Amino acid sequence: GAVVSQHPSWVICKSGTSVKIECRSLDFQATTMFWYRQFPKQSLMLMATSNEGSKATYEQGVEKDKFLINHASLTLSTLTVTSAHPEDSSFYICSAPMPSGSGNEQYFGPGTRLTVT
Amino acid sequence: DAKTTQPPSMDCAEGRAANLPCNHSTISGNEYVYWYRQIHSQGPQYIIHGLKNNETNEMASLIITEDRKSSTLILPHATLRDTAVYYCIVRVGGGNAGNMLTFGGGTRLMVKP
Repeated sequence: GAVVSQHPSWVICKSGTSVKIECRSLDFQATTMFWYRQFPKQSLMLMATSNEGSKATYEQGVEKDKFLINHASLTLSTLTVTSAHPEDSSFYICSAPMPSGSGNEQYFGPGTRLTVT
Repeated sequence: DAKTTQPPSMDCAEGRAANLPCNHSTISGNEYVYWYRQIHSQGPQYIIHGLKNNETNEMASLIITEDRKSSTLILPHATLRDTAVYYCIVRVGGGNAGNMLTFGGGTRLMVKP
């Protein structure tokens, strides 16, 4: 069935480096995908809306130059954390609307745990 | 979006029904009630949604009060695998492009043997 995958599932990087996280929709197309961030023992916080063929829409307080989003195809959105710092360590999750849904029913990826040392 | 209120945590015995409440007293007529759950260290999972009628699927039942100011998610026979944080979200029905979801604190359900 249709699912959303993320790669990698976890990554450890050094402070100052960049990390790319991929979000893929499997067996369905997604013109819109969403990126969330979740800190320990907290709820999910929307970071940005990824739109295929156009610029992403970022939530207030999220630096667009730091969190680069590219929605290059109908099945792939990428989030690049540039010049990562320890405070960027978090659980990053993407989602895509279910093809048969009304828009609010979404498939979520398994998440990517980023640790910046 | 209407604000939702959920108890922070609940316990349930394995095999028994888990009834998770959600208050949404400011819900508008065109807003739906959605339920998602998040098992530890995983992405959220869609469970069910409804507008005003009660709904049932293979995962759960959703009971919405007549005035729509509250709802209850029912897991009829809870298993240990149902241990998760359950989120109640109220949202206007979306278009084909999809809508962002706003997650509150949710209810941490602990199913115990």
